[in-house]
Amino acid sequence: QKEVEQNSGPLSVPEGAIASLNCTYSDRGSQSFFWYRQYSGKSPELIMFIYSNGDKEDGRFTAQLNKASQYVSLLIRDSQPSDSATYLCAVKGDSSYKLIFGSGTRLLVRP
Amino acid sequence: GAGVSQSPSNKVTEKGKDVELRCDPISGHTALYWYRQSLGQGLEFLIYFQGNSAPDKSGLPSDRFSAERTGGSVSTLTIQRTQQEDSAVYLCASSLVPMSGGPIDTQYFGPGTRLTVL
Repeated sequence: QKEVEQNSGPLSVPEGAIASLNCTYSDRGSQSFFWYRQYSGKSPELIMFIYSNGDKEDGRFTAQLNKASQYVSLLIRDSQPSDSATYLCAVKGDSSYKLIFGSGTRLLVRP
Repeated sequence: GAGVSQSPSNKVTEKGKDVELRCDPISGHTALYWYRQSLGQGLEFLIYFQGNSAPDKSGLPSDRFSAERTGGSVSTLTIQRTQQEDSAVYLCASSLVPMSGGPIDTQYFGPGTRLTVL
C-alpha cells in the first residue's frame, strides 16, 4: 500500500464548477498536509497546508482534513482553465522533516 | 527576493558518466531538500540538509548518489556512473527551519534539473 494515495485522473470539470481532489494516507502519525500545484514541465507550487481537522479556506481553495478517516481533500470553487494542472498531496509526520508525496491528480478544466 | 535556483536546467549525459547538479536555496533558509520526480510520478525524497550536515541520507537510491552542502547555502548532488534509470527531474527545495515539530514552515521548490541518461 502506498503511503499517500491519489486518483491519477484526469478529473475533468467545466469552467465555473467545483473541482474536488482527494487524498488518503496510511500513517496515522501524520500531522501536516500540503497541496501543491504542478503545471506541466514546472516545479511544484504550494497551494495550501492544513494541520487541524476541519476546513481551511483561502480564496477559491478549501482544504479539508479528517484525521480519523485519514483523508484530506482540496476543493477548487469557480474552476478556471488556468487551474488545469496536476495537484500533488503531501504529508509530513510530526517529528519528520520530509514530505511524502502522492503521485498526483491531473485536473482539466474545460472552457 | 530570489527563489530557489538550480543548474543546469537540462542535462543530457551518456551512461557511465558522472554528473553534478547544483541547488542555491532561498537566502536564509537553513534546511535544504533534494527530491526526484520520474515521468508521471510523485516526488521521491532523496536527502535533507540542516545547515551543512545531512541527518538523513536514507532516500538516496544507491551509493552512486552523494550530496554535500557548503557554507550552509549551495548544495551539490552528484551521481556517479549514471544509469538510464537515473533519468528524472531532480528538484531541490528549501525551508526556513526544519519542518520537524512545526507545520507552519513550508518547502519552496526550485525549477528542477531534467536529467537524461542515454
